[in-house]
Amino acid sequence: NAGVTQTPKFQVLKTGQSMTLQCAQDMNHNSMYWYRQDPGMGLRLIYYSASEGTTDKGEVPNGYNVSRLNKREFSLRLESAAPSQTSVYFCASSDRAGGSYNEQFFGPGTRLTVL
Amino acid sequence: KNQVEQSPQSLIILEGKNCTLQCNYTVSPFSNLRWYKQDTGRGPVSLTIMTFSENTKSNGRYTATLDADTKQSSLHITASQLSDSASYICVVSSGHRNDMRFGAGTRLTVKP
Repeated sequence: NAGVTQTPKFQVLKTGQSMTLQCAQDMNHNSMYWYRQDPGMGLRLIYYSASEGTTDKGEVPNGYNVSRLNKREFSLRLESAAPSQTSVYFCASSDRAGGSYNEQFFGPGTRLTVL
Repeated sequence: KNQVEQSPQSLIILEGKNCTLQCNYTVSPFSNLRWYKQDTGRGPVSLTIMTFSENTKSNGRYTATLDADTKQSSLHITASQLSDSASYICVVSSGHRNDMRFGAGTRLTVKP
């Protein structure tokens, strides 16, 4: 039982390059999330998927796209990377979105640098 | 302005000592407040959750308090250990499907 896994762990891109961050969970959770974490700031929600087949924008969606491939997998795509997207990206999952006991389980993160 | 403010930003204590971390929030409506522990290079892990009606909740050496009237929470760590060195993040939720607000965290360093 691995929980939430993310690949890759580290990535360096040049401005304008594209890439996809992969996330998978084995807890049979309905909801999945992508966050970014920048120094001195709290985690900020990029996109989330409340259930398989649905995706919604979070607080900072510009420059990103997502795909909920199936119940287990939720990918984040940067079409044309910019230095402002240098950050640590976390994927998370929860049994459901919202509610009093919506504990989110986080992956280990992907550290992305855009030159 | 962030709706969840944590203090101090960083803290250094000696092993065996106690410490208290603070969280003030303006999130409304309020559903629940979680404290997460984030080790360096890892994702956050939930320590405690409190709802409106709960004032105190403990998890081993971690005790969280909540004052929903003043919109303040604290996390008290007793008899600190080296493994407590981490960032502690306060997260407040309104209960709506995507509305979780994260504080910037307090970076705790426990020295031998």
